[in-house]
Amino acid sequence: GAVVSQHPSWVICKSGTSVKIECRSLDFQATTMFWYRQFPKQSLMLMATSNEGSKATYEQGVEKDKFLINHASLTLSTLTVTSAHPEDSSFYICSKKAGREETQYFGPGTRLLVL
Amino acid sequence: EDQVTQSPEALRLQEGESSSLNCSYTVSGLRGLFWYRQDPGKGPEFLFTLYSAGEEKEKERLKATLTKKESFLHITAPKPEDSATYLCAVHGYSSASKIIFGSGTRLSIRP
Repeated sequence: GAVVSQHPSWVICKSGTSVKIECRSLDFQATTMFWYRQFPKQSLMLMATSNEGSKATYEQGVEKDKFLINHASLTLSTLTVTSAHPEDSSFYICSKKAGREETQYFGPGTRLLVL
Repeated sequence: EDQVTQSPEALRLQEGESSSLNCSYTVSGLRGLFWYRQDPGKGPEFLFTLYSAGEEKEKERLKATLTKKESFLHITAPKPEDSATYLCAVHGYSSASKIIFGSGTRLSIRP
């Protein structure tokens, strides 16, 4: 399967600060990557689709000004949670598609805790 | 609208006790149905992709099957290390690149 890494694996920050999460495709280039959020004991919810060289596509209800996505290269997409609040505490996971089946392969996730 | 429903929500089995997890789906044209395993605090790990009714795939103690309305993940003689949350997801022709996830089944295998 395809290889995706995320950094950091966990982060704790104070309310009001911004946090950047990196998602890297380690084995091949990815023009499209996906960002998901997962709350405890719930399933994955797609936040946005990250497109290299163009604007991200956000899902309904996701604030694009709060969750800034940048996909400046074919191997790196970043998610910045701006002015984070405790309700933004969650598990953030990125993914990319690979193969003819377009299977999505996921990164290890980033745990965000906002105090 | 594409929908995925998984049952049961949680399942506790004794080591060696075989069972099945269910994934019911509604989609306007199925491009693919996916099964993932997720361990606590980690990202989902890809298991299988199924495309058409009647298709089956196996990996170690796991076997996934597909009909026009549902998929089953059969686990044969499970071991404690099979304990995880198993997620089902569908990719439909109407949803572009998006895949829709079910809420998962938390499987616990007692030694």
